[in-house]
Amino acid sequence: AAGVIQSPRHLIKEKRETATLKCYPIPRHDTVYWYQQGPGQDPQFLISFYEKMQSDKGSIPDRFSAQQFSDYHSELNMSSLELGDSALYFCASSSDIGSYEQYFGPGTRLTVT
Amino acid sequence: AQKITQTQPGMFVQEKEAVTLDCTYDTSDQSYGLFWYKQPSSGEMIFLIYQGSYDEQNATEGRYSLNFQKARKSANLVISASQLGDSAMYFCAMRPMNYGGSQGNLIFGKGTKLSVKP
Repeated sequence: AAGVIQSPRHLIKEKRETATLKCYPIPRHDTVYWYQQGPGQDPQFLISFYEKMQSDKGSIPDRFSAQQFSDYHSELNMSSLELGDSALYFCASSSDIGSYEQYFGPGTRLTVT
Repeated sequence: AQKITQTQPGMFVQEKEAVTLDCTYDTSDQSYGLFWYKQPSSGEMIFLIYQGSYDEQNATEGRYSLNFQKARKSANLVISASQLGDSAMYFCAMRPMNYGGSQGNLIFGKGTKLSVKP
C-alpha cells in the first residue's frame, strides 16, 4: 500500500539559509499535518491543512510557512534557519472518512550548522 | 487544554516478559482518540494501537493491548512476551475525534524509552 512520502530524507543547511521540505500524502487523503521533533523531544504539532486550506496552527515560528497544493502535496518552507531548527520533521496524512489513524511519513532530518 | 503524561522516562524488561507503559491524559473533549506509537532509533513513527473514548472494550493488536480506564483518564500500553526488537521509544498521544471534516492534530506525551534485556 502507498505510504506518505517525504523528501528529502536528510538535509544539511547553514544558519540563515532556507529549506523546503516536501510531503506527498497517501492518495485520497485530504488532510496533512506537520510535526517537529527536536533531539530527545516529543513531536510538536506545527500546522495542518484540510482540503488545501490551513485548518490548524500550532507552535510554528513566523519564519516558517507551509501550503498544500492542488494535488494535495504539501511543502514546509523554512527561512533564516537557526541551530535550534535542527530536528526531525514529520508529515502525516489522514482522511476524514473512515480511518482514525494519522499515517506518518519517514521524516526529514534537518541539520543546521 | 489537552495534555498527555508519561511518568516513566525509561523502563527495562526481560525478554519474553510482559511490560506496562503508563499514560494518563487530560482533556475536555467528549469524543477523543488515544494512540500509541513506537519510535525505534531509526526515527520512524510506527502506529501500534488506537482506543476511542466511546469504545467499551479495550483495544488489542497482536502482542499490544491498551488498558483503558476512562474514569481514571489512563490508557496504559501492555506489551506481552517482549522481544529484543521492542526496544524503542514509545509515545502515547491523543486527539479530538471529529466526524467528518478537518481532523485534529495529535498531542504527544514525553515518551518512555523501553529497553528489552536478553
